[in-house]
Amino acid sequence: GAVVSQHPSRVICKSGTSVKIECRSLDFQATTMFWYRQFPKQSLMLMATSNEGSKATYEQGVEKDKFLINHASLTLSTLTVTSAHPEDSSFYICSAGQGKATEAFFGQGTRLTVV
Amino acid sequence: GDSVTQMEGPVTLSEEAFLTINCTYTATGYPSLFWYVQYPGEGLQLLLKATKADDKGSNKGFEATYRKETTSFHLEKGSVQVSDSAVYFCALSDTGGSYIPTFGRGTSLIVHP
Repeated sequence: GAVVSQHPSRVICKSGTSVKIECRSLDFQATTMFWYRQFPKQSLMLMATSNEGSKATYEQGVEKDKFLINHASLTLSTLTVTSAHPEDSSFYICSAGQGKATEAFFGQGTRLTVV
Repeated sequence: GDSVTQMEGPVTLSEEAFLTINCTYTATGYPSLFWYVQYPGEGLQLLLKATKADDKGSNKGFEATYRKETTSFHLEKGSVQVSDSAVYFCALSDTGGSYIPTFGRGTSLIVHP
């Protein structure tokens, strides 16, 4: 099956610094990738949709200048949390779509802790 | 718009008990339906899916049947194990290949030995 790899799985950073999270499709080309945020004991909140070679589409309420998304190739999308603050601490998950399949494939998630 | 409603958890069971997690949906078209599982500290894994009415998805002893007449996709397992403890998400996506599932809120399952 399709594999999506997310890195790092955990990261701790100081308040005010930036953190980059990578999402790679290992065995298929992902024309579309998605970034989610998950708060404790809650469902996933879609943050943005990125298509290769174009600007990401952000969901309402998500700050595009704070959560920078780059989808430079068909196998890699990155999410950069800029000037991170403790309230940005969360579990971030990416997913990717393949061809005409109806389901998305998820990465393992990244636990971000801002101290 | 599309929506998914799941029973609230946590669901607490003893090992070998029968599991049902209810899921109903609202959609304008003919969506595909999914169950995803999230183990502690991990991302989501596709557990099973069904793409049309009356289809039954199954995997690892779990089953769910796409019921168009009741707009439901209930997850069942005849005998749960401690290792099944996780959060289960019901989801739907349209058949246009958008890959953006609409998720339910998730149901936590806790299985005691």
